[in-house]
Amino acid sequence: SQQGEEDPQALSIQEGENATMNCSYKTSINNLQWYRQNSGRGLVHLILIRSNEREKHSGRLRVTLDTSKKSSSLLITASRAADTASYFCATDAYYGGATNKLIFGTGTLLAVQP
Amino acid sequence: DAGVIQSPRHEVTEMGQEVTLRCKPISGHNSLFWYRQTMMRGLELLIYFNNNVPIDDSGMPEDRFSAKMPNASFSTLKIQPSEPRDSAVYFCASSPAYKGTYTGELFFGEGSRLTVL
Repeated sequence: SQQGEEDPQALSIQEGENATMNCSYKTSINNLQWYRQNSGRGLVHLILIRSNEREKHSGRLRVTLDTSKKSSSLLITASRAADTASYFCATDAYYGGATNKLIFGTGTLLAVQP
Repeated sequence: DAGVIQSPRHEVTEMGQEVTLRCKPISGHNSLFWYRQTMMRGLELLIYFNNNVPIDDSGMPEDRFSAKMPNASFSTLKIQPSEPRDSAVYFCASSPAYKGTYTGELFFGEGSRLTVL
């Protein structure tokens, strides 16, 4: 499968705690992106990290990328109930065919308990 | 600012019927993507366009599926005839930054939930 694998599949934490989600992939990438999806809604872009970057921050989000291990992690600090959602990593790479594609992973369902 | 607009939001139809899903991308975006989401298979890329031209349709499941982008502000995904296994949420997304060798941020619509009975 071209899809990235996310770990864990589901995560339940208390408000105020940190949440860490991991993504592993199989091929060389241009960039890796993280998206959030609230139940019944479309996906929302959170952050993009290029293959030559190792770490990136955006507000309470911290993303790391290890291309030697083909893995990435998303850290949400000081979580809030509103962070409850599914989180997906997506890799931009050449998977065959005409050009690069953005392929999504399997997702992590995060539940933040108030 | 208007985001990506998809219609209908919900569609219930019977097997064998034709289904047409519509998408209006964000003005100025040069690329458009159709994804399908199911519990079993997750998010699958069906087809994408750059400057209204289909670039890769290798994700389209079979000949029953077709997609068009007649102009920069409109795209359709058609299923004819529909089958129960086509039941899914279909998402359209657009991007201002697709360059053939690099995919930037995608902006998603709210999706069209299709149920085929």
